[in-house]
Amino acid sequence: EAGVAQSPRYKIIEKRQSVAFWCNPISGHATLYWYQQILGQGPKLLIQFQNNGVVDDSQLPKDRFSAERLKGVDSTLKIQPAKLEDSAVYLCASSHSGNQPQHFGDGTRLSIL
Amino acid sequence: GQQLNQSPQSMFIQEGEDVSMNCTSSSIFNTWLWYKQDPGEGPVLLIALYKAGELTSNGRLTAQFGITRKDSFLNISASIPSDVGIYFCAGLRHSGNTPLVFGKGTRLSVIA
Repeated sequence: EAGVAQSPRYKIIEKRQSVAFWCNPISGHATLYWYQQILGQGPKLLIQFQNNGVVDDSQLPKDRFSAERLKGVDSTLKIQPAKLEDSAVYLCASSHSGNQPQHFGDGTRLSIL
Repeated sequence: GQQLNQSPQSMFIQEGEDVSMNCTSSSIFNTWLWYKQDPGEGPVLLIALYKAGELTSNGRLTAQFGITRKDSFLNISASIPSDVGIYFCAGLRHSGNTPLVFGKGTRLSVIA
């Protein structure tokens, strides 16, 4: 089966600019996650969707980050405006349900200048 | 928030040696997962453990779900150069919507 697809792979922007990331989960996976991974650390959950509804966004900095999964399949994560500390790899993952192992995409490496 | 203590933080071994790493928590988990991450790629699931005491193998990898449900270990036998990478443990609780919790990773280097 095809894995989790993410784009772009790399993005370089200046602080205060906006950026958006796209994710297409594994077919049939109802649960989709966005993670932030800072260099040298494990992934940190930003937001979890079950179909097109938000299950957990408690660690999402809502003043600048937003995410949607309008049709319950693809998802986009947006940062507006970006700060220097947002430099990280943004990983998307999906699973059949919230209690099943998650499968990750290769991530988008974001650099803020 | 919850944290997983993963050790060692890094290790350098000779090709052919066996490797052992572990993960401990102050909280109980219902599922333990082990992932491997190569540079520039996302974590890849290696082994999933669902029951306390469970011992599961995947090729040269063996992982165990601790009896107390608060720990897990991963062994790699007869290491090869492609085993190089960062290994993450992750724990999942099935109650409510608690997220997957990751350790900080063990960076493995294999010397040929």
